[in-house]
Order: sequence, then C-alpha cells, then structure tokens
Amino acid sequence: NAGVTQTPKFQVLKTGQSMTLQCAQDMNHNSMYWYRQDPGMGLRLIYYSASEGTTDKGEVPNGYNVSRLNKREFSLRLESAAPSQTSVYFCASSENVQYFGPGTRLTVT
Amino acid sequence: AQSVTQPDIHITVSEGASLELRCNYSYGATPYLFWYVQSPGQGLQLLLKYFSGDTLVQGIKGFEAEFKRSQSSFNLRKPSVHWSDAAEYFCAVVQTGANNLFFGTGTRLTVIP
Repeated sequence: NAGVTQTPKFQVLKTGQSMTLQCAQDMNHNSMYWYRQDPGMGLRLIYYSASEGTTDKGEVPNGYNVSRLNKREFSLRLESAAPSQTSVYFCASSENVQYFGPGTRLTVT
Repeated sequence: AQSVTQPDIHITVSEGASLELRCNYSYGATPYLFWYVQSPGQGLQLLLKYFSGDTLVQGIKGFEAEFKRSQSSFNLRKPSVHWSDAAEYFCAVVQTGANNLFFGTGTRLTVIP
C-alpha cells in the first residue's frame, strides 16, 4: 500500500496563477482532509470530506476549492494564487486515525 | 472553542536523557488524543493515540503518553532519547464523533550528543 500520495512535491507559482494539488489514498478511507502548515502555527484544516460526494470548510478555507472526485481522490484548487498561500500543504485520510501524505511545498511569488 | 496548547516551542535534551513534551487541550468532553512526529521535510507520522480505557498509552519508537483528565493534559514521554528522535512533535485532538483534528503549534526537539 502506498498510503496517501500527493502531487506535486514542489511548485512555484506567480501571483494570480491557478493550480490543483492532487491527493489519493489506497486505504479505502471515507474521510479525507487538506491542511496547510506554516511556521509556528501547526497544521490548520482547509477543507475536509467526510465521505464521497461531500465537502466541508475547515478553519482556513478562503482562496481554496476542493473536489472529492471519488473515494480515493481529493483535490485542492487555488484559483488565483496569492503570496499568503505560500505554505506546505498536507493531505490526510482517515477512519478513526488520520494518515498523512508527504506534503506539497508551494511558493507563490 | 477547541484549542490545543504545546507550551514549549523548542526543547534540547542530551542523548540518553529522559524527555517529556507537554500538551494541554481545551474541550467540553473527553476528546480523542494523538501525538504525531514530523522529521524535516517529511509528512506526519502517528506516534500514539488515546481513545478510551487505560490512560497510559504506548506508542512506536519507545514513546508513551498519559491522559490526565483532571489536568486536561496528554504529555508525551520517553525514558531515554536517541539522536534519531530529533524532530518536531505535534499534539492533536478531535472531538469524539467529529472529524476535525486540531493541532498544537508543535515542539521542536533537538538532541545533543
């Protein structure tokens, strides 16, 4: 099992550009999550999906959209990137325990 | 509102010394409690979890944590630290029956020879 995979690993965007971060899990988990990690702030929840076909906002959803494409995949989209979105993004999936992907390091210039 | 506090931003210990990382939470009910570890440039790895039952839980890599309801704490301990334990440690809680994990801001552990 690969667990939770994320692509890409690194990305540099210019302000205003758009991109989609991809996440997939092979553990047949119902719930999936997107977090951002910033220095001194721990991880903050952006969006989550409790099951296929549902999505809900987390603590910091502004500037992001998500799609739960199927049970395996949960993507995060930045429609118009801003420097404040420079961060490391983690995807996770769970039944009772959350398992994390390796992260995507995004820089917006 | 739920919150998780890790009061120590950075801790330095000597290899072989004991370790305790503090975590306090603010919650109305007993939550599920977790400790994760993150090595530089890596994702988060689960060390241990508490759902119910015995308040002393054992995890991987020789770590343990004790849930103390009266103190709203879930401190992480290890009797003898190894150089490979240098990493950032995150305490997290989720309300029973909910999905959202709330993380503390992390404690960075440095291990000196």
